Amino acid sequence: ILNVEQSPQSLHVQEGDSTNFTCSFPSSNFYALHWYRWETAKSPEALFVMTLNGDEKKKGRISATLNTKEGYSYLYIKGSQPEDSATYLCAFSNAGKSTFGDGTTLTVKP
Amino acid sequence: EAQVTQNPRYLITVTGKKLTVTCSQNMNHEYMSWYRQDPGLGLRQIYYSMNVEVTDKGDVPEGYKVSRKEKRNFPLILESPSPNQTSLYFCASSLWRLADTQYFGPGTRLLVL
Repeated sequence: ILNVEQSPQSLHVQEGDSTNFTCSFPSSNFYALHWYRWETAKSPEALFVMTLNGDEKKKGRISATLNTKEGYSYLYIKGSQPEDSATYLCAFSNAGKSTFGDGTTLTVKP
Repeated sequence: EAQVTQNPRYLITVTGKKLTVTCSQNMNHEYMSWYRQDPGLGLRQIYYSMNVEVTDKGDVPEGYKVSRKEKRNFPLILESPSPNQTSLYFCASSLWRLADTQYFGPGTRLLVL
């Protein structure tokens, strides 16, 4: 079983703060890296799929970068809002198999 | 509406009584997968299917069976459920393998007594 690590495990910030999380994964046999947002009592919701080294993706205030050579990806949230409170998961994939990290739980205080 | 559906959403059963959790998608996706989520263990992949009649094991396949006879359906079968299969189960699909966005179903909460 592959090792996918996310840090920090949890994060508490004030509304308006910018924040970032890290996902570390094996640098060999890379196929794709996924980021998901998971709110309590809901299903994981896809944020980004990244496949190329150096990829940068952006969706509103959320962006992500990918370094496949060193095996890490960063997720950034600019100007956090209370509605950003959720667990953010990354998943390292080959064509079919997917290994998830344990997630970073973000709490944004008004 | 494009979606992944699962049934049932909640199920309480007893040890040894065979059950099937259905999963269906209406997006013509090639790839489908099953995951389980347990506190402190995160999401773990049970089985996946890259296409009709093609299935493969994920990280935790023991005690489960799947089949992919049609593109839209990917049922999860527990032939003889045990209490350690009590969990929250998610089905997911993507257009083509895991190079595309993966869409999750609403989840099925299973309790095995």
